[in-house]
Amino acid sequence: QVQLVQSGAEVKKPGASVKISCKASGYTFTDYWIHWMRQAPGQGLEWMGWISPNSGGTSFAQKFQGRVTMTRDTSISTAYMDLSTLTSDDTAVYYCARGVATPGARCFDPWGQGTLVTVSS
Amino acid sequence: DVQMTQSPSSLSASVGDRVTITCRASQSISTYLNWYQQKPGKAPNLLIYGASSLQSGVPSRFSGSGSGTDFTLTISSLQPEDFATYYCQQSDSFPRTFGQGTKVEIK
Repeated sequence: QVQLVQSGAEVKKPGASVKISCKASGYTFTDYWIHWMRQAPGQGLEWMGWISPNSGGTSFAQKFQGRVTMTRDTSISTAYMDLSTLTSDDTAVYYCARGVATPGARCFDPWGQGTLVTVSS
Repeated sequence: DVQMTQSPSSLSASVGDRVTITCRASQSISTYLNWYQQKPGKAPNLLIYGASSLQSGVPSRFSGSGSGTDFTLTISSLQPEDFATYYCQQSDSFPRTFGQGTKVEIK
């Protein structure tokens, strides 16, 4: 079955960086974009950006420009999201999701299980 | 950016009730509207895509409608496993944006 499995929880100090992995299985990794979202404690969902595993092309929400990097390793069907200069506001669960695009519909399915990133001194 | 506004923010309902959640976009998004269900401590799960198409495996008591700026998610007969938070999300343009969520609680 189509599945995305993310790396484990992280605790980081302010100013540090975090790199989260998202391993895909059950489909051809290069056929679908990977999107990244995050959810602060008790809050809603926030879209961060996407990466094309085929070309390596990326696009980010303006809020994260200059602070986020998205990469992939097609040999192991894994996407990565790197967020730098962390502050306490970056404490959140981070999700990857496969971007599905068909005529008339574009959606996120499935999602990874989530990775909790805690930023604390 | 397209702003998505859901109403209500929360509701209390009983098993068997018909539940309706509304989502409004700040500009027309055609039918590029998706609905997700999220249970505590879990990732969101796709329910409806393209405003009205039911995702495979999702019970038929869930339905979606609307186009342009106004959309609705309906649960025809609420079941115990449906108590969760529901999010709408637009996929017409970047950045992708979500509604603030509607929490469905047990009455």
